[in-house]
Amino acid sequence: SQQGEEDPQALSIQEGENATMNCSYKTSINNLQWYRQNSGRGLVHLILIRSNEREKHSGRLRVTLDTSKKSSSLLITASRAADTASYFCASRFSGGYNKLIFGAGTRLAVHP
Amino acid sequence: GAVVSQHPSRVICKSGTSVKIECRSLDFQATTMFWYRQFPKQSLMLMATSNEGSKATYEQGVEKDKFLINHASLTLSTLTVTSAHPEDSSFYICSARAGAEEKLFFGSGTQLSVL
Repeated sequence: SQQGEEDPQALSIQEGENATMNCSYKTSINNLQWYRQNSGRGLVHLILIRSNEREKHSGRLRVTLDTSKKSSSLLITASRAADTASYFCASRFSGGYNKLIFGAGTRLAVHP
Repeated sequence: GAVVSQHPSRVICKSGTSVKIECRSLDFQATTMFWYRQFPKQSLMLMATSNEGSKATYEQGVEKDKFLINHASLTLSTLTVTSAHPEDSSFYICSARAGAEEKLFFGSGTQLSVL
């Protein structure tokens, strides 16, 4: 299978709460990226973390990477209703591969 | 940021017809474009990698003769679904890499419905 695993598949929270999504991948990577997709639309790049990095921040987003466990997590702090979307991790494999392979995604619903 | 334009956004066609989807990078040159397919509430499945001026590289299980990809210029890639059938109904999304950028810029997708 191309895909890695993501959990949870769906997450429902209230505004102001934090949302944590997890991603696992299968082989050695060059970098791991997180994307957001609003329903029926294309994807928007959120953040990239390289294989030699362990944590990265961008605004309300915090990404961690554990290469020993082949896993990553995305934390959205102080969530807003506008954060409602699907979130996907995507891994770029090391070894010269040019493509990104996407995880199964987490559907996040933030309720006002 | 870089903009990728994808057209049409929605197409309904009869079984047996061919459908062409265009993907254009509007303000950058895309040496590499990717075509993905997405079923409802599922992830993106990579179909093929398209390099300007050369043949596309298809993922295992994707029929080359069914999904024709042309990347004739640095700003345009097309996906043609030939002799479409209802099982080809899906959301197709293109993306492009701008130069040495690691991240991808995505089109807004095309919802194909084959009757």
